[in-house]
Amino acid sequence: QKEVEQNSGPLSVPEGAIASLNCTYSDRGSQSFFWYRQYSGKSPELIMFIYSNGDKEDGRFTAQLNKASQYVSLLIRDSQPSDSATYLCAVIEVGRAGNTPLVFGKGTRLSVIA
Amino acid sequence: DTGVSQDPRHKITKRGQNVTFRCDPISEHNRLYWYRQTLGQGPEFLTYFQNEAQLEKSRLLSDRFSAERPKGSFSTLEIQRTEQGDSAMYLCASSLPGELFFGEGSRLTVL
Repeated sequence: QKEVEQNSGPLSVPEGAIASLNCTYSDRGSQSFFWYRQYSGKSPELIMFIYSNGDKEDGRFTAQLNKASQYVSLLIRDSQPSDSATYLCAVIEVGRAGNTPLVFGKGTRLSVIA
Repeated sequence: DTGVSQDPRHKITKRGQNVTFRCDPISEHNRLYWYRQTLGQGPEFLTYFQNEAQLEKSRLLSDRFSAERPKGSFSTLEIQRTEQGDSAMYLCASSLPGELFFGEGSRLTVL
């Protein structure tokens, strides 16, 4: 049973601070990792993906992957109230039939306080 | 608009009725996915298609659920004899291999 674990939050940070969102996964075969943002009542939208160990930066967002520890994180620098949303971690395993479907965590709710 | 579209956006039905949702994916995407999401939970995988072939079904997809993608374009998800536990947001997503693009979802309420 593939599992993706996230702290449900809420995680509250002041405006301008760094928000750190964490995710662990159970399947060592997982090879691709995604962070989605979901505003209340809306569908998920992709923020970043990462395949290799280390850091990947995109604007104010940095994804970090440690496959040995089965751990992936998302850092949001200079947090803004508009970043307040639920952040979903998702993983995918490359299987015999090609990629298998994304497995999502329950999400972490982030609240950025102005 | 060239995104993923879903219809209807909201459906209220009585227990025991059948409902059908439609998803039109992004035109060049050969993969189409159905997920279900309840409040406070992440999306849960239901099934996916590559072109018209249904490649995988979750154990969540009981025999009351059926999905089709007859010509490898749009897809339908039918729920027969709905139960209150079926109340959820049903999300469709499409992709080439890689990033999933989600539609806005179809919210089902079973009374």
